[in-house]
Amino acid sequence: QKEVEQNSGPLSVPEGAIASLNCTYSDRGSQSFFWYRQYSGKSPELIMFIYSNGDKEDGRFTAQLNKASQYVSLLIRDSQPSDSATYLCAVANAGGTSYGKLTFGQGTILTVHP
Amino acid sequence: DAGVTQSPTHLIKTRGQQVTLRCSPISGHKSVSWYQQVLGQGPQFIFQYYEKEERGRGNFPDRFSARQFPNYSSELNVNALLLGDSALYLCASSLAPQGLLFFGSGTQLSVL
Repeated sequence: QKEVEQNSGPLSVPEGAIASLNCTYSDRGSQSFFWYRQYSGKSPELIMFIYSNGDKEDGRFTAQLNKASQYVSLLIRDSQPSDSATYLCAVANAGGTSYGKLTFGQGTILTVHP
Repeated sequence: DAGVTQSPTHLIKTRGQQVTLRCSPISGHKSVSWYQQVLGQGPQFIFQYYEKEERGRGNFPDRFSARQFPNYSSELNVNALLLGDSALYLCASSLAPQGLLFFGSGTQLSVL
């Protein structure tokens, strides 16, 4: 079982729709959760982070965390073609040899078509 | 303010050679991490350094080594290159070991 799993997609949504990206993780000791956006040929860009159960909103983005289900998601409202990218879910643990280490999923490719 | 800077941007090497990649963190950031990203996969953790000390090591062979300098810049060295080392090497910096990570633009390494 992979430590962080994402559906690789591609996920295709029409412009203006809500895109829903999902991620599950295996380590119950995970403390922090991140979403990065990566355009083709570019480096990952941090767009959201969440530490506590529930929802966290930032503009058109909402991150949702459910530690009991070991599930984190990213919602993108009013999707735009410029949102087309690979979205990477990353998980951090506290302490020990994992101190500060991020474990990434393989990424979900999102395509927003006009 | 400048972000994380990496050099070179592209590199072509042959099997068995050695390579050194360089990274300068965001001003004020004292922690530097290195990740390897193979095409189609998420980044994989290689090393983290904080205050010039190694704070974490991923599941990579001893051919991979790194160090951090007094100005917090860092180098990643890979010896005895293999074809499978071809990847995008990403450097990320943070204020502290568990701070938010900000990535540089990466070094694309091709091993022929």
